[in-house]
Amino acid sequence: GNSVTQMEGPVTLSEEAFLTINCTYTATGYPSLFWYVQYPGEGLQLLLKATKADDKGSNKGFEATYRKETTSFHLEKGSVQVSDSAVYFCALSDRGGAQKLVFGQGTRLTINP
Amino acid sequence: DTGVSQDPRHKITKRGQNVTFRCDPISEHNRLYWYRQTLGQGPEFLTYFQNEAQLEKSRLLSDRFSAERPKGSFSTLEIQRTEQGDSAMYLCASSPGTTKETQYFGPGTRLLVL
Repeated sequence: GNSVTQMEGPVTLSEEAFLTINCTYTATGYPSLFWYVQYPGEGLQLLLKATKADDKGSNKGFEATYRKETTSFHLEKGSVQVSDSAVYFCALSDRGGAQKLVFGQGTRLTINP
Repeated sequence: DTGVSQDPRHKITKRGQNVTFRCDPISEHNRLYWYRQTLGQGPEFLTYFQNEAQLEKSRLLSDRFSAERPKGSFSTLEIQRTEQGDSAMYLCASSPGTTKETQYFGPGTRLLVL
């Protein structure tokens, strides 16, 4: 079945550091790929998405590129801020049927000033 | 859009009791999903509705769990004879129902079974 594996945390960085959170997936067909973020005390929010190979999703300075050849969707940001501290989830959904989301286990990111 | 809302936000119950959660999706969203998230894990799919029809259920949804969406608007998730292993965050999400559409999540209901 479909699955998502993402970089284990927690990850701790200093402000303005470069961020990469790795995400790889296993799926039949061509899923859509997502990064969701969960800030402390809040619900899951969509951060960015990509729906086909070589698409780049971007939002709030974060980027991720749908790489079909490596089945990856790594999250990157050039300069992190304290306000980026949160838990980040990589997810996929199949195109047909339920389009249910399959999530990775999450990566907790802490940014120190 | 007022967003997806869930009620209650927190629930503490004793083992063996029944609990019911409510989800109000974004208006005019045809699809409604329930997920369960345990500590340190990503959410796991439980079930989904297209309008009032429940079209898919996960193996995680034992026969103690039942979900309804009677008029294709709000949904309820009931857990009968709760067990300590049911302690988790229960998340609801909705989407417009067309292809490639994003799911929008509510704040969740945190259940603690003592």
